[in-house]
Amino acid sequence: GQQLNQSPQSMFIQEGEDVSMNCTSSSIFNTWLWYKQDPGEGPVLLIALYKAGELTSNGRLTAQFGITRKDSFLNISASIPSDVGIYFCAGRRDSGYALNFGKGTSLLVTP
Amino acid sequence: ETGVTQSPTHLIKTRGQQVTLRCSSQSGHNTVSWYQQALGQGPQFIFQYYREEENGRGNFPPRFSGLQFPNYSSELNVNALELDDSALYLCASSRSGRAEDEQFFGPGTRLTVL
Repeated sequence: GQQLNQSPQSMFIQEGEDVSMNCTSSSIFNTWLWYKQDPGEGPVLLIALYKAGELTSNGRLTAQFGITRKDSFLNISASIPSDVGIYFCAGRRDSGYALNFGKGTSLLVTP
Repeated sequence: ETGVTQSPTHLIKTRGQQVTLRCSSQSGHNTVSWYQQALGQGPQFIFQYYREEENGRGNFPPRFSGLQFPNYSSELNVNALELDDSALYLCASSRSGRAEDEQFFGPGTRLTVL
């Protein structure tokens, strides 16, 4: 079952604002991933993190792999309307390839 | 787009029936994973196929079964459908079965069980 706690559950912000969301786990993961899902679509990979403490950027997105290996955060700077969607964190252990997903953060951006 | 395709897009079945969902992996990918996404939840891992063999399974009963074909496409079969099987079923392909090869998702099949 899902072991990841993702927060906040939803966010309603104005265009241009920065956004921060995080994910925590009771278990250690060796890979953290962040996906975005639009309505009627499958999740799209945004950022992958492979080392504890790693900080990685992809355009306006920045994510970090927590030092304890039990958490990760995603920041979006200068949000735009197309950032609307549901953001999922996912963790993976060494022993298998299954992704364990959080319940998602729903982001709404008003112009 | 990821290059992963799934069919059908939508499906309506009744309780007790059987269903087959199909997935074509991205070119160059030989590993397919299936996930179930209930409304308002994140995807849950069902199983993974690598080179035509099951390579890992989540907490799903045996009535969830799968196949992978020589061209690496895959099927998900669900027998004796229950109302709780209503969900979006996602297929994801990756370049290999190695942990560092990331998974790319298709658009999903929306299954409704009445």
